[in-house]
Amino acid sequence: KNEVEQSPQNLTAQEGEFITINCSYSVGISALHWLQQHPGGGIVSLFMLSSGKKKHGRLIATINIQEKHSSLHITASHPRDSAVYICAARPYNNNDMRFGAGTRLTVKP
Amino acid sequence: EPEVTQTPSHQVTQMGQEVILRCVPISNHLYFYWYRQILGQKVEFLVSFYNNEISEKSEIFDDQFSVERPDGSNFTLKIRSTKLEDSAMYFCAGTAQGNTEAFFGQGTRLTVV
Repeated sequence: KNEVEQSPQNLTAQEGEFITINCSYSVGISALHWLQQHPGGGIVSLFMLSSGKKKHGRLIATINIQEKHSSLHITASHPRDSAVYICAARPYNNNDMRFGAGTRLTVKP
Repeated sequence: EPEVTQTPSHQVTQMGQEVILRCVPISNHLYFYWYRQILGQKVEFLVSFYNNEISEKSEIFDDQFSVERPDGSNFTLKIRSTKLEDSAMYFCAGTAQGNTEAFFGQGTRLTVV
């Protein structure tokens, strides 16, 4: 069983739509990361969360530690948001990260 | 904005050859990591490095792999005798502390033929 599960695997949206990507994890964590991977392959860190909610521009990330669940929301989506979004969990007392399989988002104009 | 730099961006090597992937982390980072992503699969942890030694490694990181930070700036991943299944994108990352935001390099695409 994967320690980090993401849904959906693929998501297609029209420009302007509100997007939600979900992440569930089974390990105890010290932090949860949301990453963005563009078609060229490079990875950019979007958020690191250990509780509550963070917002950066049109992106919002939330985490519920008790339910071991996190969501990434994109408001007013734009074609340039098209990318793979990856959830990664950092377990307690560990220096590694456990990655989800990613959600491939395509935003159509 | 400071960034993690990886070279080369793409390396093609023959099976059995040694390869060295290079990374220049952000200067004030103390923790360093290598990850790999086989085409079409998820990112996998290989190794973490702190205070000039390996702090964690995964099952993937066998005797064919080694890491070092020889001069206090470059952080390298060496694969001693490459196999076809080593073909993947390799990412270097760094954090200032053990549990702070991770900064990733752009990756090195390794192709073993």
